[in-house]
Amino acid sequence: QKEVEQNSGPLSVPEGAIASLNCTYSDRVSQSFFWYRQYSGKSPELIMSIYSNGDKEDGRFTAQLNKASQYVSLLIRDSQPSDSATYLCAVNTNGNKLVFGAGTILRVKS
Amino acid sequence: SAVISQKPSRDICQRGTSLTIQCQVDSQVTMMFWYRQQPGQSLTLIATANQGSEATYESGFVIDKFPISRPNLTFSTLTVSNMSPEDSSIYLCSVRGQIGATNEKLFFGSGTQLSVL
Repeated sequence: QKEVEQNSGPLSVPEGAIASLNCTYSDRVSQSFFWYRQYSGKSPELIMSIYSNGDKEDGRFTAQLNKASQYVSLLIRDSQPSDSATYLCAVNTNGNKLVFGAGTILRVKS
Repeated sequence: SAVISQKPSRDICQRGTSLTIQCQVDSQVTMMFWYRQQPGQSLTLIATANQGSEATYESGFVIDKFPISRPNLTFSTLTVSNMSPEDSSIYLCSVRGQIGATNEKLFFGSGTQLSVL
Protein backbone atom coordinates (compact mmCIF):
# COMPACT_ATOMS: atom_id res chain seq x y z
CA GLN A 1 0.00 0.00 0.00
CA LYS A 2 1.31 3.42 -0.94
CA GLU A 3 1.81 5.83 1.93
CA VAL A 4 -0.25 8.57 0.27
CA GLU A 5 -2.86 7.78 -2.35
CA GLN A 6 -4.71 10.06 -4.74
CA ASN A 7 -6.89 9.47 -7.75
CA SER A 8 -4.77 10.49 -10.73
CA GLY A 9 -7.75 11.89 -12.65
CA PRO A 10 -8.12 13.86 -14.72
CA LEU A 11 -10.97 15.45 -12.80
CA SER A 12 -12.97 17.69 -15.10
CA VAL A 13 -15.32 20.34 -13.73
CA PRO A 14 -17.11 23.24 -15.40
CA GLU A 15 -16.10 26.78 -14.56
CA GLY A 16 -17.85 27.99 -11.41
CA ALA A 17 -18.37 24.50 -9.99
CA ILE A 18 -16.82 22.97 -6.86
CA ALA A 19 -13.83 20.72 -7.43
CA SER A 20 -13.30 18.03 -4.81
CA LEU A 21 -9.88 16.41 -4.49
CA ASN A 22 -9.29 13.48 -2.17
CA CYS A 23 -6.32 11.85 -0.49
CA THR A 24 -5.84 8.94 1.90
CA TYR A 25 -2.74 8.11 3.91
CA SER A 26 -1.48 5.03 5.72
CA ASP A 27 0.57 6.36 8.65
CA ARG A 28 -1.78 6.85 11.62
CA VAL A 29 0.68 9.02 13.52
CA SER A 30 0.89 11.66 10.78
CA GLN A 31 0.08 15.09 12.17
CA SER A 32 0.60 17.55 9.32
CA PHE A 33 -1.03 17.60 5.92
CA PHE A 34 -0.46 19.82 2.93
CA TRP A 35 -1.89 20.52 -0.49
CA TYR A 36 0.37 21.72 -3.29
CA ARG A 37 -0.56 22.97 -6.72
CA GLN A 38 1.79 22.30 -9.62
CA TYR A 39 1.39 23.86 -13.02
CA SER A 40 3.00 22.09 -15.95
CA GLY A 41 6.73 22.79 -16.06
CA LYS A 42 6.71 24.55 -12.69
CA SER A 43 7.67 23.54 -9.17
CA PRO A 44 5.00 22.76 -6.55
CA GLU A 45 3.41 25.68 -4.75
CA LEU A 46 1.95 25.33 -1.25
CA ILE A 47 -1.70 26.32 -1.13
CA MET A 48 -3.06 24.83 2.11
CA SER A 49 -1.90 23.19 5.30
CA ILE A 50 -4.08 21.51 7.93
CA TYR A 51 -3.20 19.98 11.27
CA SER A 52 -6.50 19.41 13.14
CA ASN A 53 -9.63 17.44 12.36
CA GLY A 54 -12.31 19.45 10.63
CA ASP A 55 -12.33 22.15 7.99
CA LYS A 56 -9.92 24.96 7.27
CA GLU A 57 -10.92 27.66 4.82
CA ASP A 58 -8.70 30.07 2.90
CA GLY A 59 -10.45 32.06 0.20
CA ARG A 60 -11.90 29.66 -2.37
CA PHE A 61 -10.03 26.73 -0.85
CA THR A 62 -11.20 24.48 1.98
CA ALA A 63 -9.10 21.66 3.37
CA GLN A 64 -10.84 18.90 5.31
CA LEU A 65 -9.12 16.42 7.61
CA ASN A 66 -10.44 13.24 9.23
CA LYS A 67 -7.66 11.50 11.11
CA ALA A 68 -9.86 8.60 12.20
CA SER A 69 -10.52 7.77 8.54
CA GLN A 70 -7.00 8.82 7.49
CA TYR A 71 -8.51 11.06 4.88
CA VAL A 72 -7.79 14.60 3.74
CA SER A 73 -9.52 16.53 1.00
CA LEU A 74 -9.36 19.85 -0.81
CA LEU A 75 -12.42 21.70 -2.08
CA ILE A 76 -12.06 24.49 -4.61
CA ARG A 77 -15.16 26.66 -4.87
CA ASP A 78 -16.03 28.71 -7.94
CA SER A 79 -13.43 26.84 -9.99
CA GLN A 80 -11.61 28.90 -12.61
CA PRO A 81 -9.69 27.78 -15.71
CA SER A 82 -6.55 29.08 -13.94
CA ASP A 83 -7.09 26.38 -11.30
CA SER A 84 -6.29 23.74 -13.91
CA ALA A 85 -3.16 22.04 -12.59
CA THR A 86 -1.95 18.95 -10.77
CA TYR A 87 -2.78 18.93 -7.06
CA LEU A 88 -0.41 17.07 -4.79
CA CYS A 89 -1.33 15.82 -1.34
CA ALA A 90 1.60 15.63 1.10
CA VAL A 91 1.76 14.06 4.54
CA ASN A 92 4.35 14.59 7.23
CA THR A 93 5.90 11.30 8.31
CA ASN A 94 8.15 10.31 11.17
CA GLY A 95 11.38 12.25 10.83
CA ASN A 96 9.95 15.47 9.43
CA LYS A 97 9.85 14.21 5.88
CA LEU A 98 6.98 14.93 3.54
CA VAL A 99 5.65 12.06 1.47
CA PHE A 100 3.75 13.07 -1.65
CA GLY A 101 0.88 11.41 -3.42
CA ALA A 102 0.98 10.91 -7.17
CA GLY A 103 -1.23 13.94 -7.72
CA THR A 104 -4.65 14.58 -9.23
CA ILE A 105 -4.93 16.42 -12.52
CA LEU A 106 -7.72 19.01 -12.41
CA ARG A 107 -9.19 20.50 -15.57
CA VAL A 108 -11.62 23.38 -15.31
CA LYS A 109 -13.56 23.92 -18.52
CA SER A 110 -14.76 27.39 -19.47
CA SER B 1 8.40 32.27 2.85
CA ALA B 2 12.07 31.75 1.96
CA VAL B 3 13.37 32.65 -1.49
CA ILE B 4 15.12 29.62 -2.94
CA SER B 5 17.46 29.99 -5.90
CA GLN B 6 18.38 26.84 -7.77
CA LYS B 7 20.80 26.54 -10.65
CA PRO B 8 21.19 25.51 -13.33
CA SER B 9 17.53 25.68 -14.32
CA ARG B 10 18.12 23.12 -17.03
CA ASP B 11 20.96 21.20 -18.62
CA ILE B 12 21.57 18.61 -21.28
CA CYS B 13 24.37 16.21 -20.37
CA GLN B 14 26.20 13.32 -21.91
CA ARG B 15 26.04 9.83 -20.52
CA GLY B 16 28.79 9.12 -17.98
CA THR B 17 29.32 12.72 -16.91
CA SER B 18 28.31 14.41 -13.64
CA LEU B 19 26.28 17.52 -12.89
CA THR B 20 26.24 19.55 -9.68
CA ILE B 21 23.06 21.46 -8.81
CA GLN B 22 23.22 24.36 -6.38
CA CYS B 23 20.55 25.57 -3.99
CA GLN B 24 20.83 28.91 -2.21
CA VAL B 25 18.29 30.18 0.34
CA ASP B 26 17.96 33.82 1.34
CA SER B 27 17.57 32.95 5.02
CA GLN B 28 18.81 30.29 7.40
CA VAL B 29 16.70 27.13 7.44
CA THR B 30 16.88 24.08 9.64
CA MET B 31 16.11 21.49 7.00
CA MET B 32 16.98 21.12 3.33
CA PHE B 33 15.85 18.28 1.10
CA TRP B 34 16.42 17.09 -2.44
CA TYR B 35 13.55 15.60 -4.44
CA ARG B 36 13.33 14.05 -7.87
CA GLN B 37 10.32 14.23 -10.14
CA GLN B 38 10.47 11.93 -13.12
CA PRO B 39 8.29 12.68 -16.16
CA GLY B 40 4.62 12.35 -15.29
CA GLN B 41 5.40 11.23 -11.76
CA SER B 42 5.11 12.70 -8.31
CA LEU B 43 7.96 13.78 -6.07
CA THR B 44 10.36 11.25 -4.59
CA LEU B 45 12.63 12.24 -1.74
CA ILE B 46 16.29 11.55 -2.51
CA ALA B 47 17.85 12.68 0.75
CA THR B 48 17.89 15.11 3.63
CA ALA B 49 20.89 17.44 3.47
CA ASN B 50 22.41 17.73 6.94
CA GLN B 51 24.51 20.71 7.82
CA GLY B 52 28.08 19.72 8.58
CA SER B 53 27.53 15.97 8.26
CA GLU B 54 26.65 13.30 5.74
CA ALA B 55 23.25 13.44 4.12
CA THR B 56 20.52 10.97 5.06
CA TYR B 57 19.49 9.00 1.99
CA GLU B 58 16.17 7.36 1.27
CA SER B 59 15.82 3.77 0.16
CA GLY B 60 17.04 3.37 -3.40
CA PHE B 61 19.42 6.33 -3.34
CA VAL B 62 23.11 6.14 -2.46
CA ILE B 63 25.84 8.62 -1.73
CA ASP B 64 28.10 7.46 -4.55
CA LYS B 65 25.42 8.27 -7.10
CA PHE B 66 23.99 11.42 -5.46
CA PRO B 67 26.65 13.07 -3.28
CA ILE B 68 25.23 15.99 -1.31
CA SER B 69 26.90 18.83 0.51
CA ARG B 70 25.51 21.31 3.01
CA PRO B 71 28.27 23.51 4.38
CA ASN B 72 25.94 25.97 6.15
CA LEU B 73 22.29 26.76 6.87
CA THR B 74 21.63 28.51 3.56
CA PHE B 75 23.35 26.42 0.88
CA SER B 76 23.38 22.88 -0.48
CA THR B 77 24.51 21.03 -3.58
CA LEU B 78 23.37 17.80 -5.18
CA THR B 79 25.60 16.01 -7.67
CA VAL B 80 24.18 13.48 -10.11
CA SER B 81 27.15 11.23 -10.88
CA ASN B 82 27.94 8.98 -13.83
CA MET B 83 24.67 9.93 -15.47
CA SER B 84 22.53 7.67 -17.63
CA PRO B 85 19.34 8.48 -19.56
CA GLU B 86 17.35 7.08 -16.60
CA ASP B 87 18.55 10.07 -14.56
CA SER B 88 16.63 12.45 -16.84
CA SER B 89 14.29 14.17 -14.44
CA ILE B 90 13.48 17.36 -12.59
CA TYR B 91 15.53 17.79 -9.42
CA LEU B 92 14.05 20.02 -6.74
CA CYS B 93 15.63 21.62 -3.72
CA SER B 94 13.24 22.22 -0.84
CA VAL B 95 13.53 23.85 2.55
CA ARG B 96 11.67 23.76 5.81
CA GLY B 97 11.85 25.51 9.13
CA GLN B 98 13.12 29.05 8.70
CA ILE B 99 15.15 30.08 11.74
CA GLY B 100 12.95 32.33 13.85
CA ALA B 101 9.74 31.18 12.19
CA THR B 102 7.20 28.86 13.73
CA ASN B 103 5.94 27.06 10.66
CA GLU B 104 6.93 23.69 9.30
CA LYS B 105 5.86 24.27 5.76
CA LEU B 106 7.97 22.97 2.90
CA PHE B 107 8.91 25.29 0.07
CA PHE B 108 10.49 24.43 -3.25
CA GLY B 109 13.06 25.97 -5.50
CA SER B 110 12.32 26.39 -9.19
CA GLY B 111 13.88 23.05 -10.08
CA THR B 112 16.55 21.77 -12.47
CA GLN B 113 15.39 20.03 -15.63
CA LEU B 114 18.06 17.46 -16.49
CA SER B 115 18.19 15.60 -19.78
CA VAL B 116 20.81 12.89 -20.28
CA LEU B 117 21.65 11.80 -23.81
